[in-house]
Parts: sequence; C-alpha cells; structure tokens
Amino acid sequence: QKEVEQNSGPLSVPEGAIASLNCTYSDRGSQSFFWYRQYSGKSPELIMSIYSNGDKEDGRFTAQLNKASQYVSLLIRDSQPSDSATYLCAVTNFNKFYFGSGTKLNVKP
Amino acid sequence: DTGVSQNPRHKITKRGQNVTFRCDPISEHNRLYWYRQTLGQGPEFLTYFQNEAQLEKSRLLSDRFSAERPKGSFSTLEIQRTEQGDSAMYLCASSFGGSFSYEQYFGPGTRLTVT
Repeated sequence: QKEVEQNSGPLSVPEGAIASLNCTYSDRGSQSFFWYRQYSGKSPELIMSIYSNGDKEDGRFTAQLNKASQYVSLLIRDSQPSDSATYLCAVTNFNKFYFGSGTKLNVKP
Repeated sequence: DTGVSQNPRHKITKRGQNVTFRCDPISEHNRLYWYRQTLGQGPEFLTYFQNEAQLEKSRLLSDRFSAERPKGSFSTLEIQRTEQGDSAMYLCASSFGGSFSYEQYFGPGTRLTVT
C-alpha cells in the first residue's frame, strides 16, 4: 500500500465548474498536508497547506482535512483552463515526506 | 530571483560515470530536501538536511548516492557509477523550520539522462 493515494485521472471539468481532487494517506501520525500543482515539464508549486481538521480557503482554492478518515481534498472553484495541470498531494510526519502520484486535471474551455 | 536554484538544469552522462548536482536554497531557509521524480510519478523523497545535519535518508537510496550540505547553505547530490535507472528529474526543495511547518518550495530541477 502506498503512503499517499490519488486517482491518476484525468479529471475533466468544464470552465467555470468546481474541480474536486481527493487524496488518502496511510500514516495516522501524519501532521502536515499540502497540495502542489505541477505543469508538464515544470517543478511542483505549493498551492495550499493544512494542518488541522476542517476547511481552509485561499482564493478559489479550498483544502479539506479529515484526519479520522485519513482524507484530504482540494476544491477549485471557477476552474480556468490555466488550472489544467497535475495536482500532487503531500503528507509529512516529522522527518517523513510522502507525495502521491498526482491527479491530472483538464479544464475544458 | 530569490527562489531555489539548481544546477545544471540538464545532464547527459554515460553509464558508469559520476555526476554531481548543486542546489542553492532560499536564503533564510534552514531545511533542504532532495527528491527524485520519474514520469507519471510524484516526487520520491531521497534525503533531508536541517542546517548542515543530514537528518533523514531514504532506505531506497543506494550507497551510490551521497548528499552534503557543508555549511548549511547550498547542497550537493552526487551519484556514483550511474545506471540507466537513475535517469530522472532530481528536485531540490527548501523550507523554513517550525514545529509543523514543512511548506517546501521547489527548484526547477535537474534532468538526468544516463545513456
């Protein structure tokens, strides 16, 4: 079992819609959770961090964390074609750092 | 530009040769990380420094890989006797240390091709 699981996609949504990306993790001791965006051929770019249960909003992005279910999600409102990328979920537990394989998002104009 | 920088950006080498990559973190960041990423996969953790101390090293990292951060600033990653399976993007990231804050910022990466 991988430490971080993501659906590889692709997830296709029309422009203006809400994109919902999900991630599960196996280490119950995990403390910090992150979402990164990675365009093809580029390095990952940090979008959101979340450390406690609940929702955290930043502009069009909302991260949700449920530690009991070991589940993290990212909602992107008003999706734009420029949001088309691979979204990586990352989880840390002190000196352990794990990334999922990413979900590819396609936003269709 | 005050982001993470990596050199070289691309490296082509023959199997069996040694290669060394350099990473310069964001200046105020005390933590530095190395990852490897292959096509279709997420970054795979290799090793991590806090200041000059190497605090964690992946069990997946063979003895051919070594990393240093001698003065707690830039870091080097060396791969000895390269193999074709070492072909990947090598990513460096840095963060500012706090109890739980591991917000890592990545450099552009070094793409290694072993022929």
